[in-house]
Amino acid sequence: AQSVTQLDSQVPVFEEAPVELRCNYSSSVSVYLFWYVQYPNQGLQLLLKYLSGSTLVKGINGFEAEFNKSQTSFHLRKPSVHISDTAEYFCALRGGSYIPTFGRGTSLIVHP
Amino acid sequence: NAGVTQTPKFQVLKTGQSMTLQCAQDMNHNSMYWYRQDPGMGLRLIYYSASEGTTDKGEVPNGYNVSRLNKREFSLRLESAAPSQTSVYFCASSEASWASGNHEQYFGPGTRLTVT
Repeated sequence: AQSVTQLDSQVPVFEEAPVELRCNYSSSVSVYLFWYVQYPNQGLQLLLKYLSGSTLVKGINGFEAEFNKSQTSFHLRKPSVHISDTAEYFCALRGGSYIPTFGRGTSLIVHP
Repeated sequence: NAGVTQTPKFQVLKTGQSMTLQCAQDMNHNSMYWYRQDPGMGLRLIYYSASEGTTDKGEVPNGYNVSRLNKREFSLRLESAAPSQTSVYFCASSEASWASGNHEQYFGPGTRLTVT
């Protein structure tokens, strides 16, 4: 069995401040890890992915994530957020099947 | 490329009515998925199709049926709608090729369904 836990349901932050959205996972097999972003009233789109290789992965819009196998984590970071980053963020993994597992999402709220 | 398209964008049904949600992708992907999204529940998988000609139940299949019409199209049918099926429905597709390493999903814009 595999699972994804997003530790914070909501993260408020001020504009230009750094942010970290936390994601922990559990799996008995090797995994591929993803972060998706969902802007209001839209579908999800891929922010970044980790398949193999370098544990620091860079994505779109200045986001990056670090894969930590020993801590089974894949936290998402951005050094300086903008109002336009306000959105729902989903961590997901794919193990040995066609079915990906999603976390419940973290709502990032950027205040001016 | 249009990516993943869904119709309709909005729908209001009365309890007991039926409807079909349509989904199509133009990326030649093998796998397709139907999810529902409810506040605080994240995404829950209803049905998926690993490849053309196959469909399988996900986490919450009760009250739904699907058809993988061809490689491009994957429809979701509600035979007798219930208020508990009020939700936002997303279709997604994925190449799902272990050889190529392309595992990410591409999502449609969603269908907002209200059952009264």
